[in-house]
Amino acid sequence: GESVGLHLPTLSVQEGDNSIINCAYSNSASDYFIWYKQESGKGPQFIIDIRSNMDKRQGQRVTVLLNKTVKHLSLQIAATQPGDSAVYFCAENPMDAGNMLTFGGGTRLMVKP
Amino acid sequence: DAGVIQSPRHEVTEMGQEVTLRCKPISGHDYLFWYRQTMMRGLELLIYFNNNVPIDDSGMPEDRFSAKMPNASFSTLKIQPSEPRDSAVYFCASSLDRVTEAFFGQGTRLTVV
Repeated sequence: GESVGLHLPTLSVQEGDNSIINCAYSNSASDYFIWYKQESGKGPQFIIDIRSNMDKRQGQRVTVLLNKTVKHLSLQIAATQPGDSAVYFCAENPMDAGNMLTFGGGTRLMVKP
Repeated sequence: DAGVIQSPRHEVTEMGQEVTLRCKPISGHDYLFWYRQTMMRGLELLIYFNNNVPIDDSGMPEDRFSAKMPNASFSTLKIQPSEPRDSAVYFCASSLDRVTEAFFGQGTRLTVV
């Protein structure tokens, strides 16, 4: 997939540091959220998901935090590696929109060796 | 399973020509989605199917776009006639049900000259 957004927010981190990517969602009826990673020339790849009845979920090196009060989602990547360099999208699935997964604009993560 | 399979990977066509993009979803997935990704607009949902039935096509930009799903293992997205502004990467994705992650194909990069 090509880069998305001429003005993609970019997060630049040093290899080994932790990364935090933020996402604000718009629909308070959303009950399911996903983080996707998209590397150059590829389709979005699932990283981790969280349902609205949870506020935190951990995977391997990744943690997703959900704050429904302020409609905020974050993705934390521990010990960031060069292979983590990609564009990261959050997606929400509003209960009142059938099954229409809606994507945010994306954040580009650049990992400096 | 080989994942979601899209063809062709790249398509270059002249304005006015008909373009057909193809998708084979993951076996057993009941939902199929067509997305378009551009630098300006990011990832946009065009249409999605549930059990081969189109559920929401409100994202289809114009009547020049049409999508079909004749069976559970095949879908097409057709643009007729194509225009230069249709140039984008088109992704197909499938999911098991509404509240699970969607798996994306590698995309078709369409260039209309």
